[in-house]
Amino acid sequence: SQQGEEDPQALSIQEGENATMNCSYKTSINNLQWYRQNSGRGLVHLILIRSNEREKHSGRLRVTLDTSKKSSSLLITASRAADTASYFCATGFQGAQKLVFGQGTRLTINP
Amino acid sequence: EAGVTQFPSHSVIEKGQTVTLRCDPISGHDNLYWYRRVMGKEIKFLLHFVKESKQDESGMPNNRFLAERTGGTYSTLKVQPAELEDSGVYFCASSQRVEKTEAFFGQGTRLTVV
Repeated sequence: SQQGEEDPQALSIQEGENATMNCSYKTSINNLQWYRQNSGRGLVHLILIRSNEREKHSGRLRVTLDTSKKSSSLLITASRAADTASYFCATGFQGAQKLVFGQGTRLTINP
Repeated sequence: EAGVTQFPSHSVIEKGQTVTLRCDPISGHDNLYWYRRVMGKEIKFLLHFVKESKQDESGMPNNRFLAERTGGTYSTLKVQPAELEDSGVYFCASSQRVEKTEAFFGQGTRLTVV
């Protein structure tokens, strides 16, 4: 079954606005990670939040995790044109090393 | 420190041909993973090496795919014979320790089978 379903699938906002992307998953997790992929490039790790954490910050990024709802959100504040990319959530499981990715959210920041 | 490198960055081959993708993990990383993203779909796990041993190959789609990691350094993923549905981006990732789950990804190889 598919884990880590992001929504929306695509998001277009003006530079300077905040962008929020959501991720839902189906089974118990050990951690949840967010990655960014710029066009034609590899996946860049943004942030990891463990299952016993509820919120985490890194620069302009804020991630929340609600294990009761099996959902996470990624907030990017004061967006910049360089934030234009696809964003993926990926879930990790206890005792397993593989990550399960969602289909991603395509974020476009308009100047 | 060099990151995860993959070669080639792009490959276009005809159906029925063979293609070999290569991944050089970050030096000292025992864990190496292969993932792929087929057009419009999610990134899916293919397999996981710990050093030269296959720890988990549950994601390998069929026996046309063969992954190796001789000597526990770089890895190759061979597709033979390639089919149209194999087109996509193949990512390699590595991580340092079993309990550390942050994985560093390469740029990916875009494979197009025509």
